[in-house]
Amino acid sequence: DGGITQSPKYLFRKEGQNVTLSCEQNLNHDAMYWYRQDPGQGLRLIYYSQIVNDFQKGDIAEGYSVSREKKESFPLTVTSAQKNPTAFYLCASSIPTVGSYNEQFFGPGTRLTVL
Amino acid sequence: GQQVMQIPQYQHVQEGEDFTTYCNSSTTLSNIQWYKQRPGGHPVFLIQLVKSGEVKKQKRLTFQFGEAKKNSSLHITATQTTDVGTYFCAGSRSNDYKLSFGAGTTVTVRA
Repeated sequence: DGGITQSPKYLFRKEGQNVTLSCEQNLNHDAMYWYRQDPGQGLRLIYYSQIVNDFQKGDIAEGYSVSREKKESFPLTVTSAQKNPTAFYLCASSIPTVGSYNEQFFGPGTRLTVL
Repeated sequence: GQQVMQIPQYQHVQEGEDFTTYCNSSTTLSNIQWYKQRPGGHPVFLIQLVKSGEVKKQKRLTFQFGEAKKNSSLHITATQTTDVGTYFCAGSRSNDYKLSFGAGTTVTVRA
């Protein structure tokens, strides 16, 4: 089956700890994305990557970091600098086509709770 | 930056009734996409509109792209309990592959 996997589904961390969320895809997509979802605020883009070893900041990158060492993997680290990290995190991938056919495929998400 | 606004934020519908959710962009879009997120789930792609004035139908769902390619609507007829969830619109500009998502319309259905 082709798709995107995120693990774990639920994650609990103490305040002040860094935590890394995993995202793996076998769709052979070049572009990958990380979104944060809070109630009533839709999907806000954290980071995105079009090719291996390259990534760009999205709208709310502060307190987050990413890496793209392999095409299939795009892990997100939530650092202690992120002031309000408790949220639902969604990873997505797509073919980076400009203009059309750039629909995104989402993973099941990780719900992070910082205590 | 590009902003995509979506209204209403919440829609409470009696089963069998129709409703419409609207999406407006501050800039001209190259395409508009619609996604559905079931409670506890993740967004799933429904459809993409590319042409000015385009209308597409999926069973009871009708999607429309405005003539100026700045707005879109999703109309659901004869709402069913299976329509429960949050519907997002998302658009991209002509020189970009990234999507800007609206805040979503969360639909609940009264049986």
